[in-house]
Amino acid sequence: QKEVEQDPGPLSVPEGAIVSLNCTYSNSAFQYFMWYRQYSRKGPELLMYTYSSGNKEDGRFTAQVDKSSKYISLFIRDSQPSDSATYLCAMSGSGNNRLAFGKGNQVVVIP
Amino acid sequence: GAVVSQHPSWVICKSGTSVKIECRSLDFQATTMFWYRQFPKQSLMLMATSNEGSKATYEQGVEKDKFLINHASLTLSTLTVTSAHPEDSSFYICSANRDSNNEQFFGPGTRLTVL
Repeated sequence: QKEVEQDPGPLSVPEGAIVSLNCTYSNSAFQYFMWYRQYSRKGPELLMYTYSSGNKEDGRFTAQVDKSSKYISLFIRDSQPSDSATYLCAMSGSGNNRLAFGKGNQVVVIP
Repeated sequence: GAVVSQHPSWVICKSGTSVKIECRSLDFQATTMFWYRQFPKQSLMLMATSNEGSKATYEQGVEKDKFLINHASLTLSTLTVTSAHPEDSSFYICSANRDSNNEQFFGPGTRLTVL
């Protein structure tokens, strides 16, 4: 079983829809959870950072972490064509800087 | 804040030559930097962890003599691809930890093409 599972299937949504992405993980030592956005031929951009369980909201983005279920989510409200990108979940444990990544979800927002 | 730069952004070289890629944290000090490799439509593959003032730690399967890493200061790490071959063509991305809470910020990447 991989440390981090993220269904890489492409996701197409109409503009204005809610985008829902999620990852599951197996390592209970993970405490830091991140979502990155990556445009084609660019480096990943840190979107959301969460420590331990809970919700975090930043503008149109909401990140949720459920450590009991080992499940994290990212929601994008009122999606825009500029949100079209690959979204990567990543996580790490305390005292260990190495990030474990999901495979990434390609999201296409159709105008 | 938390900006990481890479130079060059794109390089083409002949087979057998060496290429150096620089990674800089512009507005923070980074005791730890990371080097990744990414193939098209795939996730990032960690190559090595670079700590300021000490030897890099390489992931299994990554040749340390081929991918030389130097972390000479708290704001600069370099990756040198020695005797590059076409199979080394890839997108190389660095990242840096801003502080102890594991927030990692990535550079824009360097596209290497070896002819």
